[in-house]
Amino acid sequence: GQSLEQPSEVTAVEGAIVQINCTYQTSGFYGLSWYQQHDGGAPTFLSYNALDGLEETGRFSSFLSRSDSYGYLLLQELQMKDSASYFCAVRDRNTGNQFYFGTGTSLTVIP
Amino acid sequence: SQTIHQWPATLVQPVGSPLSLECTVEGTSNPNLYWYRQAAGRGLQLLFYSVGIGQISSEVPQNLSASRPQDRQFILSSKKLLLSDSGFYLCAWKGSSSYNEQFFGPGTRLTVL
Repeated sequence: GQSLEQPSEVTAVEGAIVQINCTYQTSGFYGLSWYQQHDGGAPTFLSYNALDGLEETGRFSSFLSRSDSYGYLLLQELQMKDSASYFCAVRDRNTGNQFYFGTGTSLTVIP
Repeated sequence: SQTIHQWPATLVQPVGSPLSLECTVEGTSNPNLYWYRQAAGRGLQLLFYSVGIGQISSEVPQNLSASRPQDRQFILSSKKLLLSDSGFYLCAWKGSSSYNEQFFGPGTRLTVL
């Protein structure tokens, strides 16, 4: 089976940097994705890591360590609009078509 | 460009009634299609996925079923709803196996009373 763990809530100040961690256990690992979801909305894709290391996309970066079954999402220069839930998701290697999501981290950005 | 549609946006149904939620995708061919359910304040639970017409894989035994009658149409159904079926239902699509990004529809908020 698959399990993913994330902190349930994080609070950070506008303009600061925040890191959201994700640890996973899976029978077959292909890659780790991150999604953002605002209240009542649909999740939107942020990043994907298949190999170890850091991927940078603007203010957002994502890191993966396959040996540690661990990844994180780094948000820099936080803005109020970054207040949302963030989900990590594992892409299953057995089929390559299944994605399993963590329970999500609710980020609140305060002035 | 690709778009994904889901309807209805909200639905209130009595226990024991049937259900049919529809999802359609435009602007792409032979997508992988997915149904997820999200309980309030929780993560997304994969319910079904499909790699082609008539091909459905079920993730968890439950009161729901899925069908893919056309390449870009994915339907979630139930014959008799349970209270526990309440939630936010999201349809998503992904390109061929070389792609990693899933695109989600706007979702259907289902309340079973």
